[in-house]
Amino acid sequence: QKEVEQNSGPLSVPEGAIASLNCTYSDRGSQSFFWYRQYSGKSPELIMSIYSNGDKEDGRFTAQLNKASQYVSLLIRDSQPSDSATYLCAVNGADSNYQLIWGAGTKLIIKP
Amino acid sequence: SAVISQKPSRDICQRGTSLTIQCQVDSQVTMMFWYRQQPGQSLTLIATANQGSEATYESGFVIDKFPISRPNLTFSTLTVSNMSPEDSSIYLCSAKYLHYEQYFGPGTRLTVT
Repeated sequence: QKEVEQNSGPLSVPEGAIASLNCTYSDRGSQSFFWYRQYSGKSPELIMSIYSNGDKEDGRFTAQLNKASQYVSLLIRDSQPSDSATYLCAVNGADSNYQLIWGAGTKLIIKP
Repeated sequence: SAVISQKPSRDICQRGTSLTIQCQVDSQVTMMFWYRQQPGQSLTLIATANQGSEATYESGFVIDKFPISRPNLTFSTLTVSNMSPEDSSIYLCSAKYLHYEQYFGPGTRLTVT
């Protein structure tokens, strides 16, 4: 059973601090990794994608990938109350016909 | 990114009836997906819909209960048939773009009474 694991939280972070969200995956053949943000009552929104080892930065967001450790993370710098949401990690299954394997999500709360 | 619309956005239906959810994508895509999401839970894939072929259903979901149509590269429908209260959920469609990324419609909130 291919899995993507995330801490369900809630993760509480003070405003202005760095929020660190983590995700591990079981399929060593996975090549594509995504972070989605989902506000309550809304659909998931793609915020970051990463395909190679290392860091990828986009504004206040940095995705980090370590394929050897089967680990992907999302850092949010200068956290804002508007960052409060559930963050879903998704990974392609190597033999899954383009499907994504989804983590359960981490609920992030940014406290003013 | 992509613009994906769904309708209806919400509905309240009676037990035993059926509801068809429509999903429209603003550009041509080969693969579309239908998910279900219970409150506070992650996404559960119902089926993958490719244009020109039968949908592929995940374990626990069957075509008689969730028939899917994919008549062209920008449109798909999901029907929830013979509904029961257990079918109350949020139904989401998504479309696959380059490198596996998926973009989602706004969802359909279904309540079965």
